[in-house]
Amino acid sequence: EAGVAQSPRYKIIEKRQSVAFWCNPISGHATLYWYQQILGQGPKLLIQFQNNGVVDDSQLPKDRFSAERLKGVDSTLKIQPAKLEDSAVYLCASSLLGGNQPQHFGDGTRLSIL
Amino acid sequence: QQQVKQSPQSLIVQKGGISIINCAYENTAFDYFPWYQQFPGKGPALLIAIRPDVSEKKEGRFTISFNKSAKQFSLHIMDSQPGDSATYFCAASVGGKLIFGQGTELSVKP
Repeated sequence: EAGVAQSPRYKIIEKRQSVAFWCNPISGHATLYWYQQILGQGPKLLIQFQNNGVVDDSQLPKDRFSAERLKGVDSTLKIQPAKLEDSAVYLCASSLLGGNQPQHFGDGTRLSIL
Repeated sequence: QQQVKQSPQSLIVQKGGISIINCAYENTAFDYFPWYQQFPGKGPALLIAIRPDVSEKKEGRFTISFNKSAKQFSLHIMDSQPGDSATYFCAASVGGKLIFGQGTELSVKP
């Protein structure tokens, strides 16, 4: 089966600019996650969707980050305006039904803020 | 209380040796403990996972040992190979929300 697809792979922007990331989960997976992985650290959950509804966005900086999952399939994560501390890899993951089912990760988008 | 503490930060092992990575947690509500392997430029990949009602799980060269009373769990990689060189993350979950450790960079020397 095809894995989780993410684009772009790399993005370089200046602070205060906006940026968007795209994720296509594994076909049939109802649950989609966005994680932020800062260099040298483990991934940190930003937001979790079940189909097209938000399950958990408690760690999403809502003043600058937004995410949507229209039609319960693809998802986009947006940052506006970006800050220097947003430099990280943004990972998308999906699982069949959520809960403690295995999460399958994409290869991420590496974001550099100048 | 939501933290997962992982050690060591880095590990060098000779080919054929045993690699051991340790994790500790505080939240007794965690009910699922996976280990992920991550290569540079790639996303984490699930390696093996355990639930707290089991003390040990083995899959090939990879074994998780789980000590519920001590709130600790560890990953053992037997017969370590250069291809195992990667960063390993432990994680703990309640209701599917994964909390990751800081990671261990493993280098297996030929």
